[in-house]
Formats: sequence, C-alpha cells, structure tokens
Amino acid sequence: DIQMTQSPPSLSASLGDKVTITCQASQNINKYIAWYQQKPGKAPRQLIRYTSTLVSGTPSRFSGSGSGRDYSFSISNVESEDIASYYCLQYDNLPYTFGAGTKLELK
Amino acid sequence: QVQLKESGPGLVQPSQTLSLTCTVSGFSLTSNSVHWVRQPPGKGLEWVGAIWSGGSTDYNSALKSRLSISRDTSKSQVFLKMNSLQTEDTAIYFCTRGLYWGQGVMVTVSS
Repeated sequence: DIQMTQSPPSLSASLGDKVTITCQASQNINKYIAWYQQKPGKAPRQLIRYTSTLVSGTPSRFSGSGSGRDYSFSISNVESEDIASYYCLQYDNLPYTFGAGTKLELK
Repeated sequence: QVQLKESGPGLVQPSQTLSLTCTVSGFSLTSNSVHWVRQPPGKGLEWVGAIWSGGSTDYNSALKSRLSISRDTSKSQVFLKMNSLQTEDTAIYFCTRGLYWGQGVMVTVSS
C-alpha cells in the first residue's frame, strides 16, 4: 500500500497569511492526488483533483502542485472560512490512501 | 442533483456484523463508482473500499478479510457489510463519489 506522509499535523495562521501543506507518497503517484477540506461535523469537500485542478466552486486562493512523490497544497490569503482540517488522498494505486490530515487554526 | 445517503444501525455489538446502505440519486451506479470512507471520532479519514461501475470491488488491505461491498442497481443502493466488529471500528461511515458525499452515519461498536 502507498503511504501518504502529510505535514504539518497542525498549522496556526493569521487572516491573510499564505499556508502550505505537503504530502509525500511512498512511491510515485503520477499526480493522482486530491485534496479535501473538512469542517467539524461535516463531510469532506473535494477542493482539488489531479494535483492542481480546482474543482468547480473552489476559490482561486487554493492551489496545488507537485509531481512524482512530492505534492503541496496552498491557501493564499487565509480567510476565516478556511479554518478546517485538510487531507490529501492518493488515487493512483489501490487501495487508495489518505494522509493523516492537517488542522488549520487561527493564530 | 447528485445525492448519497447512508443508513444503518447506530449501535453494533462487538463481534457482530455491520450492515450499511448507501442510497444514491442523480446518477447511475452502472456508470459511476461509489466508495466508502470512515472516520473514527477525532481522527482522520480512512478509505474503506469501493464498488466500480462494472460491479468489481476493491478493499482496504487491513479490512478486506472482514469486508464486503455490493450493490443493487435497480434500487440505486450500495451495501457495506463488515463482520467481526471491534471497538476500533467505531466511526462515522461515509459513502462518496469523490466530489459528492453523503452526510455520514455514526456507528458505535459497544456491548
């Protein structure tokens, strides 16, 4: 199984900051990574698929990049509504695997 | 519009079998895959398994010996069955089509 090492586990940011989350796969995942946002008590929401493709409705302040084993997800100009947990998911190889998550909090 | 809704018992006794149903609308199961994802309280997401448009299935490696996913396309329903439940299986179970998710169903394993 592919392991997804996501960091950091938690992140503290001020409104307007840029934050970056990384996921490293245990092997090449050919850009098949998606990023999800989850707020307490809610189902996850897909924000980005195939490394950098924004899902319809995802604000442009969200972005993704990477290749091979290394991927990143960024939020520029953090807004209060971005306070949530974020997860990466690799879907290149079965079984699919999630990163452990990053909790974004306000400083 | 696309919708998914999970249903099933909220409480299951240890060693018993969990049966969950995901009822979908707005799309065809013969053209789309449906996945199950679970989340223990206060913890992260775990991919459980999937049933593909052609009816084949794939499972989480750690769960595959206890897990079965099936469907009834005439009723637009996907089923998850997991046996030999333990307290570690306590979680919210979601069904999802990737972009679209159900609200989740909380399953507690306890005597």
